[in-house]
Amino acid sequence: DAMVIQNPRYQVTQFGKPVTLSCSQTLNHNVMYWYQQKSSQAPKLLFHYYDKDFNNEADTPDNFQSRRPNTSFCFLDIRSPGLGDAAMYLCATSRGRTLEQYFGPGTRLTVL
Amino acid sequence: AQSVTQPDIHITVSEGASLELRCNYSYGATPYLFWYVQSPGQGLQLLLKYFSGDTLVQGIKGFEAEFKRSQSSFNLRKPSVHWSDAAEYFCAVFLGIQGAQKLVFGQGTRLTINP
Repeated sequence: DAMVIQNPRYQVTQFGKPVTLSCSQTLNHNVMYWYQQKSSQAPKLLFHYYDKDFNNEADTPDNFQSRRPNTSFCFLDIRSPGLGDAAMYLCATSRGRTLEQYFGPGTRLTVL
Repeated sequence: AQSVTQPDIHITVSEGASLELRCNYSYGATPYLFWYVQSPGQGLQLLLKYFSGDTLVQGIKGFEAEFKRSQSSFNLRKPSVHWSDAAEYFCAVFLGIQGAQKLVFGQGTRLTINP
């Protein structure tokens, strides 16, 4: 089945230690999104790639970066995680400007 | 500013009872509206969507929603809930203005099912 895959499902890191979260998709969608969802809150868009074009949300901290080496993969890098960055990170994809987004299962990040 | 409001943070219903989850939006143009469901520790699954046309839309798992422009609402309903419906439900509106293509989510409603 075509799907959005996120690895790892659970990630534990130390305060200030860089961490990378991975997202891959077999849907061949050209748009990929990263959301941050803190406990009991709504998902919040961090940034998205439309093909190779990177679109950052105005309020996304500089601590968060992203890479998209090819259509299938997208990475979220947190350069110096703080305790406030503990959250569920959701990857989603869509085909062009169509409105329907397909979500992966998420990676739960714990910062010690 | 465009926003989505889900007035109920937590709702508890008995299994077999009917359900209605409320969603109100603030958006100047014709909204594109969605309901997503999130089971604990999981990603979001699309239940249904409204773009245009018939204001009563059918979704998966027996859910439906009705778009009411006069009330700026898009409430989710199910005639008879099952224990497996216990989850978090998010209403969302798609913003597609000036290049900003993104979903804006409501705060979510947590649904608990009593046996």
